[in-house]
Amino acid sequence: AQKITQTQPGMFVQEKEAVTLDCTYDTSDQSYGLFWYKQPSSGEMIFLIYQGSYDEQNATEGRYSLNFQKARKSANLVISASQLGDSAMYFCAMREANAGGTSYGKLTFGQGTILTVHP
Amino acid sequence: DGGITQSPKYLFRKEGQNVTLSCEQNLNHDAMYWYRQDPGQGLRLIYYSQIVNDFQKGDIAEGYSVSREKKESFPLTVTSAQKNPTAFYLCASGEDRGRSGELFFGEGSRLTVL
Repeated sequence: AQKITQTQPGMFVQEKEAVTLDCTYDTSDQSYGLFWYKQPSSGEMIFLIYQGSYDEQNATEGRYSLNFQKARKSANLVISASQLGDSAMYFCAMREANAGGTSYGKLTFGQGTILTVHP
Repeated sequence: DGGITQSPKYLFRKEGQNVTLSCEQNLNHDAMYWYRQDPGQGLRLIYYSQIVNDFQKGDIAEGYSVSREKKESFPLTVTSAQKNPTAFYLCASGEDRGRSGELFFGEGSRLTVL
């Protein structure tokens, strides 16, 4: 069974500094996708970044980058130049391939990390 | 605009009553999902459907039921058998194939049992 672990219940960062949110995963599959979502206090889930298990380069999307270390089964999110609007809950998630590897299955989430950005 | 619409946004229910949460998508996605979120917690999968007229139980399906009669719609019924139904419910949809398996989420429905 797939499992996602986020060991940091809460993180604090000063505005304009970088912060790393940790995520480790456990799977026996070779084909899977890793995701990060942001959840502001309003409750909506905002997709941030995706990393495929076969992607050789780390994914980047603007100020977000994913530090993917496949051998260590870690997929940490790095937010550069933090902004006050980055204060939110952040979730790491994984989607394994279905049997046959031709399609994706369900998305499994970690417990989340609450990020607070101080001015 | 394409997206996922959940209704109602807020719902109050008396103990012993069934309630149905609506989820509609116009993204032409095959797969749809229902998640439950408790305060300060992650999302737990209730039910999911990867094709019309078919659905599978997730990790916490007891006390819930779903139907998938149309591609666009995946309503969730919270039955009186659900022992602790007060929670935030999120519906999502996504492609099952291709480059990314990103899920798109609705804005959620907050259910409170009085």
